[in-house]
Amino acid sequence: DQQVKQNSPSLSVQEGRISILNCDYTNSMFDYFLWYKKYPAEGPTFLISISSIKDKNEDGRFTVFLNKSAKHLSLHIVPSQPGDSAVYFCAASATGANSKLTFGKGITLSVRP
Amino acid sequence: DVKVTQSSRYLVKRTGEKVFLECVQDMDHENMFWYRQDPGLGLRLIYFSYDVKMKEKGDIPEGYSVSREKKERFSLILESASTNQTSMYLCASSFNNKNIQYFGAGTRLSVL
Repeated sequence: DQQVKQNSPSLSVQEGRISILNCDYTNSMFDYFLWYKKYPAEGPTFLISISSIKDKNEDGRFTVFLNKSAKHLSLHIVPSQPGDSAVYFCAASATGANSKLTFGKGITLSVRP
Repeated sequence: DVKVTQSSRYLVKRTGEKVFLECVQDMDHENMFWYRQDPGLGLRLIYFSYDVKMKEKGDIPEGYSVSREKKERFSLILESASTNQTSMYLCASSFNNKNIQYFGAGTRLSVL
């Protein structure tokens, strides 16, 4: 049973435009959500996170939105740059889970120059 | 800066061999994790440890074991490697009660 779903395997956007990456979850115990970025042959790197007490968190070009009622979050990248081309993983955790994360399958973002 | 170091970037082993993957972190993190990443399947948790000598099974522990004798080191062991264990293996660590995990660069293991 997949508790964190990234239903679109890939996304292609033009440089300078907005990239919107979506993520859905099913476990209502999840209360903290993270996005990781992964380049080929490298480990994932932490990008941005959001607690369930918030509905938005912003860091530079990256903004994460959380809709708890819909169990949905999204990562917005504005403006998109070619260096943003990577695989993006959505992850979720629940309080008391010893920092255990449940990851989605990832989405490959391609930013066209 | 947090540093998680995996001993090998690439490894080629034969079916039936015993394989050790080593991971060391330098941030005094309590928690350490082993994942494997396969195309279309994302990151799947194999084992994790929240203290020295403690271990817990993740989602796919079959065919693997782990060892954590020191706080900074977490080893993944394939007792008898099989071809379906060909994968990218990723180690991560985190502070207790902190959700952000920091990853190593990964070990690409090929079992022939």
